[in-house]
Amino acid sequence: AQSVTQPDIHITVSEGASLELRCNYSYGATPYLFWYVQSPGQGLQLLLKYFSGDTLVQGIKGFEAEFKRSQSSFNLRKPSVHWSDAAEYFCAVGRMDSSYKLIFGSGTRLLVRP
Amino acid sequence: DAGITQSPRHKVTETGTPVTLRCHQTENHRYMYWYRQDPGHGLRLIHYSYGVKDTDKGEVSDGYSVSRSKTEDFLLTLESATSSQTSVYFCAISVGDNSPLHFGNGTRLTVT
Repeated sequence: AQSVTQPDIHITVSEGASLELRCNYSYGATPYLFWYVQSPGQGLQLLLKYFSGDTLVQGIKGFEAEFKRSQSSFNLRKPSVHWSDAAEYFCAVGRMDSSYKLIFGSGTRLLVRP
Repeated sequence: DAGITQSPRHKVTETGTPVTLRCHQTENHRYMYWYRQDPGHGLRLIHYSYGVKDTDKGEVSDGYSVSRSKTEDFLLTLESATSSQTSVYFCAISVGDNSPLHFGNGTRLTVT
């Protein structure tokens, strides 16, 4: 069965430091992968998506993610974190069988130290 | 937020009462979804719809039903609310075929 694992429940980084959030997926076919961000009390906003082609994808707010098929990973990165990046981040895999749906990981909460 | 409105935004109800949450979209997207969000579980799919009157179960559908009589509206009903259904409920829409989902702002439901 398809699944998504985000091994880090919380991550704390200092403002200006680099960030990497981990995501591992389990999916038999070519995956369609997404990263979303959720600020407190808000809905989810799409950061970036991977369908095919270049394995390094760029997103909004200076985020990027790299698809590594051999490691079944789709890690999210940002070279310099801003205090406004503090939020919860969700990785998701698109699944197309009888219909189309997304399966989400359990999320990683990012805290930013001033 | 991609033309998605959830109502109500907050609701407190008592155990055993019926509750209906509404999702309204102005995007004419084919797919609509209901997820619930709980700490430590991320978002879990309750039910989804792939067209008018076409719905199917997600991974946590027990105790929930849905209806979609018009493209723009997707209703989630808790026939007899339980405390375990206290959660934040998100509606999402998509054109399908590997496209991203776009989310509403959520409904916070408390069952006392």
